[in-house]
Amino acid sequence: EPEVTQTPSHQVTQMGQEVILRCVPISNHLYFYWYRQILGQKVEFLVSFYNNEISEKSEIFDDQFSVERPDGSNFTLKIRSTKLEDSAMYFCASSRQGEVRGYTFGSGTRLTVV
Amino acid sequence: AQSVTQLDSQVPVFEEAPVELRCNYSSSVSVYLFWYVQYPNQGLQLLLKYLSGSTLVKGINGFEAEFNKSQTSFHLRKPSVHISDTAEYFCAVSENSGYSTLTFGKGTMLLVSP
Repeated sequence: EPEVTQTPSHQVTQMGQEVILRCVPISNHLYFYWYRQILGQKVEFLVSFYNNEISEKSEIFDDQFSVERPDGSNFTLKIRSTKLEDSAMYFCASSRQGEVRGYTFGSGTRLTVV
Repeated sequence: AQSVTQLDSQVPVFEEAPVELRCNYSSSVSVYLFWYVQYPNQGLQLLLKYLSGSTLVKGINGFEAEFNKSQTSFHLRKPSVHISDTAEYFCAVSENSGYSTLTFGKGTMLLVSP
């Protein structure tokens, strides 16, 4: 069964550093998403991406964050100047036609900012 | 906007006992409803979903859920749990326009002991 692959599974970074979280969506999917879960809190939507541009973003997704599809396979989330409160599990998802019922999630990247 | 409430953060249960994980939602529009499961160190896996039609939905691993519109609930049930069902379970909702994002509950940790 096709999978969404996320790397790394764990990342520890110092406050103020930039991090890039990587995702390889399912190959024939066209819509890509990032969600995050701060420990003990809800999984929250960050951003959706289609046709090389952001289609929707939440209030959380401020100027500190950016997304990119640098090549035909990867989908990345960049967090500039990380803060302690950015520590969370970050989930990538993809869907073929953008419908939420067709989401496939990756296994997540646990980001720890120290 | 939608919201999801999972009242129980943890549900301990003995193996082979029945279990119900509660989920209530609020929304001003019609919704799709989902249950996801996260096993330790793994991603979010779709357990089952309600899109339309029969209010009783059957999913993987013997789980089922019932959509109750009047009570705005979508409780998850299994008649006999196994040790391997130990995991975090997330209820989620989206507008039934199909292209909206997912709104998650905080999750319920199901702890199955021998």
